[in-house]
Amino acid sequence: TQLLEQSPQFLSIQEGENLTVYCNSSSVFSSLQWYRQEPGEGPVLLVTVVTGGEVKKLKRLTFQFGDARKDSSLHITAAQPGDTGLYLCAGAPGPGKLTFGTGTRLQVTL
Amino acid sequence: DTGVSQDPRHKITKRGQNVTFRCDPISEHNRLYWYRQTLGQGPEFLTYFQNEAQLEKSRLLSDRFSAERPKGSFSTLEIQRTEQGDSAMYLCASSLRRLNTGELFFGEGSRLTVL
Repeated sequence: TQLLEQSPQFLSIQEGENLTVYCNSSSVFSSLQWYRQEPGEGPVLLVTVVTGGEVKKLKRLTFQFGDARKDSSLHITAAQPGDTGLYLCAGAPGPGKLTFGTGTRLQVTL
Repeated sequence: DTGVSQDPRHKITKRGQNVTFRCDPISEHNRLYWYRQTLGQGPEFLTYFQNEAQLEKSRLLSDRFSAERPKGSFSTLEIQRTEQGDSAMYLCASSLRRLNTGELFFGEGSRLTVL
């Protein structure tokens, strides 16, 4: 079983601050996704990274896939209240099921 | 609406009763997944189908749980003799087989409360 550990579990910051969320595993993944989930809703895909060392940017969000394809990070610059939610990384060892991380709950206050 | 839809959104039942959830995936998606999520945690994989074939089941899926996708379109997840520990959000997702990057599109979930 591939286990994806996320840190921190909870993060409460003020608007304008920067933050980084980490996703770590001892297993290699062929790809890794980041999702955001709001209360009462299903997760929504933010990005997919496929190549070791890959960096993708989505406005104020920067995603990086580790060189060995075992870990990833999500960096948010100048966080806004609209960034509040549960951030989930998810890995696919191959075609088939997606294994989700333990989640990071982010709260951004004014 | 071309997204994944789930029904019902909320279900409250008494312990010992049976419940059934339905999922309608995005029409051109041939893979359908069921996950279970408890508050503040990441979704846990339950099972997935490619067309009508159930390809993998988690050990979390006890004998009281059964999932079907009879015509390769919508799917149902039935829980028999519900227990309080079954209380959770049940999420359905779909994807295209040819996209091996594993990107899933989720429904809004069916929240189950067992009293």
